[in-house]
Order: sequence, then C-alpha cells, then structure tokens
Amino acid sequence: EAQVTQNPRYLITVTGKKLTVTCSQNMNHEYMSWYRQDPGLGLRQIYYSMNVEVTDKGDVPEGYKVSRKEKRNFPLILESPSPNQTSLYFCASSLRGRGEQYFGPGTRLTVT
Amino acid sequence: GENVEQHPSTLSVQEGDSAVIKCTYSDSASNYFPWYKQELGKGPQLIIDIRSNVGEKKDQRIAVTLNKTAKHFSLHITETQPEDSAVYFCAASNYGGGSNYKLTFGKGTLLTVNP
Repeated sequence: EAQVTQNPRYLITVTGKKLTVTCSQNMNHEYMSWYRQDPGLGLRQIYYSMNVEVTDKGDVPEGYKVSRKEKRNFPLILESPSPNQTSLYFCASSLRGRGEQYFGPGTRLTVT
Repeated sequence: GENVEQHPSTLSVQEGDSAVIKCTYSDSASNYFPWYKQELGKGPQLIIDIRSNVGEKKDQRIAVTLNKTAKHFSLHITETQPEDSAVYFCAASNYGGGSNYKLTFGKGTLLTVNP
C-alpha cells in the first residue's frame, strides 16, 4: 500500500530534550516536506527536500532541522524543543513535477 | 509570498443540501489548486485539484471552479452526506515554477452535515 508513515504518533516531552520525528514514504517520491498545523493558522511549511541531500527552509524553520540521506526518509529534528513547538506535525511527499502531495497521519507533539 | 484566504470557517448544512467553500489567492503565478479533506485524527487527503489552464473540474458529487482573473476558486459538494463532515482545506502552489512545491493553505472550513 502506498503511504507516508510517521513515528511516533504522539509524543510528550520536556523543554530542551532533543527529539526526532521520523517520516518514511514507499512511493519513490523525490519531494518531501514537513508542515505544522496549529488552530486558526492552518498548515505551514517547516522544511522541504527536493531530493536526497537537497533540503531548504520553508516558512517556519526556526528551531527545526532536517536531513535527507535516503530517498524514502525525511526525519524532523528538534534539537532543543520549546513549548511554542507544541503542535500537530505532518510529513508529505510528492512525485517531482506533479502537484499531488500525500500526507502522513500526523504526530501530535506536546512540549512542557 | 502567496496568501490564501478561505471562507467560511464553519459551515453547517442539512443532509442532501449543497455546500460551497470559497478561497482567494494573492500570487498570480500560482497554477495548482488542490482541496484536502481532513477527518478527525487523520492527515489531509486530496479530494480534488484543478490546474490553472482549466476553469472547472468535477468528480461525482464534488466540483471545483477556478476564476484566474479574480484569483478565486471554490469547492462545491452536492447531495451532502454525514460522512462529508470534516475539515476542508484549500491550497495554492506554483508547482514547476521554482524549487519548492510548497502548498500554501487556507485556514480550513469545518463542515458539519446534519442527518
């Protein structure tokens, strides 16, 4: 089944404790992206990757890092999480040159 | 950058009625306009999309219209059913026009279909 998977689905952590949210797709998509969803703000892009070893900032990159060492994986790293990073995070992927983006099920992160 | 406005923020209809959600965008370079449906606890799922060279597209009970001159596009759902209840997002993108296929989303519409 073609899909985007994220782990963990739920995470509660404390300020400053490094964490990684994994994202994996099995559709051989070149393009991958991370979004965060906040009430009243919709979805906003954090980082994106056009292909392996090619990443760039989206609209709200502060406090986040990403890497793209393999085509299928695009982890989101929070080196020192803060409460304002409490949010619902979505990973998405797309076949390069096509518009359709496929979203993962989301990761709900709470930073206390 | 692109800005997408979406209205209304909430919409309640009776089963069988039609529902219309409207969006406007600011960047005339945008050429791809998808609509996503997000059910509780799930990620957004593409339900229909339209590209800038097309004025209207239909898929069973769902249709999308695009007015490039006015920079607005709309989602129309006919014969609504309770399972249509969800949050709907419009989005705009200039895919192929640069290095980022970023989707700029509207803030969403909570649609409730009452049996």
